[in-house]
Amino acid sequence: KAGVTQTPRYLIKTRGQQVTLSCSPISGHRSVSWYQQTPGQGLQFLFEYFSETQRNKGNFPGRFSGRQFSNSRSEMNVSTLELGDSALYLCASSPGTRTYEQYFGPGTRLTVT
Amino acid sequence: GDSVTQMEGPVTLSEEAFLTINCTYTATGYPSLFWYVQYPGEGLQLLLKATKADDKGSNKGFEATYRKETTSFHLEKGSVQVSDSAVYFCALNSGAGSYQLTFGKGTKLSVIP
Repeated sequence: KAGVTQTPRYLIKTRGQQVTLSCSPISGHRSVSWYQQTPGQGLQFLFEYFSETQRNKGNFPGRFSGRQFSNSRSEMNVSTLELGDSALYLCASSPGTRTYEQYFGPGTRLTVT
Repeated sequence: GDSVTQMEGPVTLSEEAFLTINCTYTATGYPSLFWYVQYPGEGLQLLLKATKADDKGSNKGFEATYRKETTSFHLEKGSVQVSDSAVYFCALNSGAGSYQLTFGKGTKLSVIP
């Protein structure tokens, strides 16, 4: 099976712009989660989607949003970018079994200048 | 809320040395516990998991035992290799239908020949 794929892998944006990141989960996985990784804050949970519904959301401002499509692919959007949004954004998918394991993609490296 | 504490790095070991990375957690209920590994420039890879007390997760020579009485999940390997150099993250999921993972800050391991 192909792993979790994320596009683009690298992105450079300017403050005030918006950005959309894409994630394709492992085939058959219905749960998709997003995480932000920074040197200072570590790995922080953004949100989780299951069958097109947001089930859980982390403590991030409303500028961060996401969605999931009927084929389980997911996108996250960040509006009005700030310098502090520079980070590695990781997507993870889960088969939806009660073992709660997640499989991560390679991430999208976002740099805000 | 849930939290994970793992030993600060970096940790530098000689090849074939014994590795221990300590991890303790705070969670409600009966969490599932995980170790993930991140190689430079990559996403996280699931290394091993344990879903209930006294379970031992193992993979690629790494082991960790879910100790409910000490709320710990320490990672061990009997003989490390240069290829084990990476950042290791301890994580938990507290269940209740959400796939959100709570991570420790990570421990960077460098193995020298």
